[in-house]
Amino acid sequence: GDSVTQMEGPVTLSEEAFLTINCTYTATGYPSLFWYVQYPGEGLQLLLKATKADDKGSNKGFEATYRKETTSFHLEKGSVQVSDSAVYFCALTLSGYSTLTFGKGTMLLVSP
Amino acid sequence: DGGITQSPKYLFRKEGQNVTLSCEQNLNHDAMYWYRQDPGQGLRLIYYSQIVNDFQKGDIAEGYSVSREKKESFPLTVTSAQKNPTAFYLCASTPGRGGSSYEQYFGPGTRLTVT
Repeated sequence: GDSVTQMEGPVTLSEEAFLTINCTYTATGYPSLFWYVQYPGEGLQLLLKATKADDKGSNKGFEATYRKETTSFHLEKGSVQVSDSAVYFCALTLSGYSTLTFGKGTMLLVSP
Repeated sequence: DGGITQSPKYLFRKEGQNVTLSCEQNLNHDAMYWYRQDPGQGLRLIYYSQIVNDFQKGDIAEGYSVSREKKESFPLTVTSAQKNPTAFYLCASTPGRGGSSYEQYFGPGTRLTVT
């Protein structure tokens, strides 16, 4: 079946460090890919998305590029802030389906 | 403001009792979803509904039930048959019946504790 694999956390960084959170997927079709963020005690918010190969999603300084050849959608940010501390989820959905398949999430902790 | 509301934020119940979690949306979205979140497990789909009076089981539907009598409401009942009901429950919705570009909008969640 379809699945999403994320690097295990927590990822601990100092403020202004470079962030990479790896995400790879397996899918029977041609998926759309998403990154969601969850702040403590809250629901999930869409951070960015990409719907076809080589698309780059970006938002709030975060970026991820849809790489079909490596089945990856790694999340990056050039300079993290303490306020970026949260859990980040990679997810996919297939065309014609309405359900999302999520990775297990990666906790990011940023210290001042 | 449009959005998804879940109530209550925290819920406590005794083992053996059924409990219903509320999910309401005023986004005029067709599809609604229920997820369960456990530490280190990510999100797992319980049930979803693409139109009123219709719903489908997700990956972990056992011990849960839902109804979709109105477009804006999708309540989840956690029954006494659910072996490990303590978890964080998230409701979500999408504008249409899904599709590759439709992201899901999430409510703030309900944390259920059963003792």
